[in-house]
Amino acid sequence: AQSVAQPEDQVNVAEGNPLTVKCTYSVSGNPYLFWYVQYPNRGLQFLLKYITGDNLVKGSYGFEAEFNKSQTSFHLKKPSALVSDSALYFCAVRFQSGNTPLVFGKGTRLSVIA
Amino acid sequence: KAGVTQTPRYLIKTRGQQVTLSCSPISGHRSVSWYQQTPGQGLQFLFEYFSETQRNKGNFPGRFSGRQFSNSRSEMNVSTLELGDSALYLCASSPGQGSLYNEQFFGPGTRLTVL
Repeated sequence: AQSVAQPEDQVNVAEGNPLTVKCTYSVSGNPYLFWYVQYPNRGLQFLLKYITGDNLVKGSYGFEAEFNKSQTSFHLKKPSALVSDSALYFCAVRFQSGNTPLVFGKGTRLSVIA
Repeated sequence: KAGVTQTPRYLIKTRGQQVTLSCSPISGHRSVSWYQQTPGQGLQFLFEYFSETQRNKGNFPGRFSGRQFSNSRSEMNVSTLELGDSALYLCASSPGQGSLYNEQFFGPGTRLTVL
């Protein structure tokens, strides 16, 4: 069965510093990996995804993520955090074959402090 | 293009009642998924539909049901409501032919409170 772990419930970072939000996954086979962000009282917004090819994926708002197959990780990164990046971040995985649903991690709350 | 819309946005019900939530996907999107979001459990998958067919179902009791119409609009129904059903219910639609690698576009959710 596929699963996603976001080991940190909360990440605090100072504005201007680099940020990392961690995600590891478990899926038997090749995964499709996604990051979404949720702002207060809003639905989720898509940030980026890994399908195949280049392990470094660039997405919206200056975010990027690196797919690491050996470590089964897909950490979200940004070189310089903004206060407006403060939100709830979700990692999600889907098995590439078969008919399996998208599975989300429990989310990581990012706080960027001015 | 208009985004995913969900109605109603807020709902208060009492235990034992039933509720129907509605979702209108982005125009042209044929795949619709439903999720339950709670602080303790995060996002839990409920259903996925593509062209009126249920493609996947999550691990929820039979009180939770859904359907998709020919215009891709979707509804989910929860019967015999329990306190634990209080949650934000999110609907998401995907473009294309329902490919597994397509990103999902989420609506703002319906906040259900069961008293």
